[in-house]
Amino acid sequence: DAGVIQSPRHEVTEMGQEVTLRCKPISGHDYLFWYRQTMMRGLELLIYFNNNVPIDDSGMPEDRFSAKMPNASFSTLKIQPSEPRDSAVYFCASSSFPGREQYFGPGTRLTVT
Amino acid sequence: AQKVTQAQTEISVVEKEDVTLDCVYETRDTTYYLFWYKQPPSGELVFLIRRNSFDEQNEISGRYSWNFQKSTSSFNFTITASQVVDSAVYFCALSPNSGGYQKVTFGTGTKLQVIP
Repeated sequence: DAGVIQSPRHEVTEMGQEVTLRCKPISGHDYLFWYRQTMMRGLELLIYFNNNVPIDDSGMPEDRFSAKMPNASFSTLKIQPSEPRDSAVYFCASSSFPGREQYFGPGTRLTVT
Repeated sequence: AQKVTQAQTEISVVEKEDVTLDCVYETRDTTYYLFWYKQPPSGELVFLIRRNSFDEQNEISGRYSWNFQKSTSSFNFTITASQVVDSAVYFCALSPNSGGYQKVTFGTGTKLQVIP
């Protein structure tokens, strides 16, 4: 299996622009997670899906953030409008079962200027 | 509330030395999972081990070993005969039953530098 795939790997954008991050989970994994990693706050869970349905989005920082999973093999995390404080590495991860290990993608390094 | 504490922010060792990374967790759940992940300089997080709260057996995998002690809420990770390739940030994580096992809380990580 190719593992969790994320795109783009790097994104540089200007404040106020819309940013869309993409993720393809491992085939057969029913759970998909979005995390944000920063020096100040470490790794934070933003939202997770089970069978394409958002289960818990309590970690989404603001209404500017939204996530969708239109099918089992694709998810997006959108930030609109972006702000400099959104600069971070965003990871997507998937797992097969509750309590199982999560497999992480390579991350998207977002820089908002 | 769930909490994972990795008190060691950075550790430097000389190659071939043994090193232990500490992890202390807090949860009111009686059922939970504990994990260790490795984040090498390339950036991706790599799963190392998963432990069920009911299983306190220590585990060894090659140069890696883990010591789980429920009485002290600790899940420490030891690397024996460290190598330069072990240089990375290591994260301990907690996955409690109350979050459906899906709401994972990560520690702040311990950065390990192995000097040749």
